[in-house]
Amino acid sequence: GEDVEQSLFLSVREGDSSVINCTYTDSSSTYLYWYKQEPGAGLQLLTYIFSNMDMKQDQRLTVLLNKKDKHLSLRIADTQTGDSAIYFCAGGARRKLIFGQGTELSVKP
Amino acid sequence: KAGVTQTPRYLIKTRGQQVTLSCSPISGHRSVSWYQQTPGQGLQFLFEYFSETQRNKGNFPGRFSGRQFSNSRSEMNVSTLELGDSALYLCASSLFADTQYFGPGTRLTVL
Repeated sequence: GEDVEQSLFLSVREGDSSVINCTYTDSSSTYLYWYKQEPGAGLQLLTYIFSNMDMKQDQRLTVLLNKKDKHLSLRIADTQTGDSAIYFCAGGARRKLIFGQGTELSVKP
Repeated sequence: KAGVTQTPRYLIKTRGQQVTLSCSPISGHRSVSWYQQTPGQGLQFLFEYFSETQRNKGNFPGRFSGRQFSNSRSEMNVSTLELGDSALYLCASSLFADTQYFGPGTRLTVL
């Protein structure tokens, strides 16, 4: 069935770049998404990429998509302590999103 | 434009009871989806409604049900609550494609 895998933890220093990786099995996703969740909150849509694109840049965020390897990554430039949160990648079709387990990003001053 | 709103934000129930959660989508959005988030299972899709019709359903027992009203507001109901139903229930609305915007969630605790 559909599956999305992410590493569970990432720790970086403030000002460094963070790269969060994701692999997926379902090729039918029209879009692939990155969401951010802070403690006690819902999911905030960060960015998304159309499945026929290779890269999308949005301010400090860069999304790379390798369709051959079914690999998606999110790069956060100049990571700040306010970026500490759990990041989820998601794909799917017909409004049924399949989420990864989430990567907990810890940013140390 | 106001975001997705969910009520109540927190709820405590006991086993065997039933519960109804409410979701108001972003104005103009006609699709509403529901997800359950637990530490063990992560985020799982429950169901999706569009124009008052359920279009897609996840792998949850029949105790979980939902509906959508003509103003696109949606409710989900869980009957005969079990301890394992304790979770954060998230509602998301969508205007087009699959891009979904989530509400803050309802934290349900079953004792």
